[in-house]
Amino acid sequence: GAGVSQSPSNKVTEKGKDVELRCDPISGHTALYWYRQSLGQGLEFLIYFQGNSAPDKSGLPSDRFSAERTGGSVSTLTIQRTQQEDSAVYLCASSLAGADGYTFGSGTRLTVV
Amino acid sequence: QQPVQSPQAVILREGEDAVINCSSSKALYSVHWYRQKHGEAPVFLMILLKGGEQKGHEKISASFNEKKQQSSLYLTASQLSYSGTYFCGTEGSNTGKLIFGQGTTLQVKP
Repeated sequence: GAGVSQSPSNKVTEKGKDVELRCDPISGHTALYWYRQSLGQGLEFLIYFQGNSAPDKSGLPSDRFSAERTGGSVSTLTIQRTQQEDSAVYLCASSLAGADGYTFGSGTRLTVV
Repeated sequence: QQPVQSPQAVILREGEDAVINCSSSKALYSVHWYRQKHGEAPVFLMILLKGGEQKGHEKISASFNEKKQQSSLYLTASQLSYSGTYFCGTEGSNTGKLIFGQGTTLQVKP
């Protein structure tokens, strides 16, 4: 597609439930990133996929968070047993390998009630 | 480690200039700059690479001091459309992963 597509755009879930957030990167972009942005805050790195290499998971805040990328394209971020502090906008970005700017999706606004 | 941006906020009149700084405590391979308007996704402005290469929008100017591990974004003759939050993202050792600063909020008034 023309840009990075994320779904759903908004998600309200009850505390303790699992959620899945989807990211469809720009075709041909080998690098895919997930960031989290809490209200009025900066961009917190979560996880980074590059081609067929093992992902860099160093930013995942707890073992309730996991992500996968299938076929080098679509990625899913899963949050298990959601907590209120998980409420944030989850942004996905993709880029070509090497020195290239990121293209961000519009994000998924997650609200845990 | 998260880079430090300064100032935290700037208010300008149209036509005035501003400089936003980004400083890291670690050696850097590249620095990126992004602008985010309220309720929207961050948009890529510029990348500055170790060794002097730069890529980005023609109307945006920035510098990268590798020795001091600092970058500055120069916004000249500001327009209302420049308003938003500016983030620098730093990459160490060609890891491909950016760590973003806390952001600088810029407001341009008529």
